[in-house]
Amino acid sequence: LAKTTQPVSMDSYEGQEVNITCSHNNIATNDYITWYQQFPSQGPRFIIQGYKTKVTNEVASLFIPADRKSSTLSLPRVSLSDTAVYYCLVGDPGGATNKLIFGTGTLLAVQP
Amino acid sequence: GAVVSQHPSRVICKSGTSVKIECRSLDFQATTMFWYRQFPKQSLMLMATSNEGSKATYEQGVEKDKFLINHASLTLSTLTVTSAHPEDSSFYICSANIRTGKYEQFFGPGTRLTVL
Repeated sequence: LAKTTQPVSMDSYEGQEVNITCSHNNIATNDYITWYQQFPSQGPRFIIQGYKTKVTNEVASLFIPADRKSSTLSLPRVSLSDTAVYYCLVGDPGGATNKLIFGTGTLLAVQP
Repeated sequence: GAVVSQHPSRVICKSGTSVKIECRSLDFQATTMFWYRQFPKQSLMLMATSNEGSKATYEQGVEKDKFLINHASLTLSTLTVTSAHPEDSSFYICSANIRTGKYEQFFGPGTRLTVL
């Protein structure tokens, strides 16, 4: 399973756009990139998933360059409630077990 | 989205007792569920993969006799922490996959175990 590297923490202010980059140099051909959000004492929540180029949903965008060795989660106009840990994971949806290995995650702190 | 529940949400027990945690997929069937453990300010650590109708697959370093997993139906997996000790105190989280065109893994709300 591909290992991911993210910044340990990031700070931002309300209303700003936040970009969190994840490195996954050993990503395999069949691997997808998925981002999760976790609040304290809660289970992780799915944010977005992509394979290549750009994916956008109602809460975030995911940018994946052509070599797929990194990805960037973009959160537009963050609010205080976006303070959480964000995890980047790579895995094969068609794999035998689909198990996810979590890295360290990025603690995003949004200030007023 | 799909819902995964856990019961209990928190449990406090004495050292040496066994504790069972249930993980249920409420509106879908899950042939595979996963159990994670998370210590304070740390990431989730995968403990085992629970397979319906067969034995669980444990990650390296996880004692299978200590953490008993049973996946008796397509909507229920249980994790039993046997002879719990204070070092087993942690946040236990389960998850389950839905295999559709998009790959999503849904997580339960977690169970806080405190062993006195």
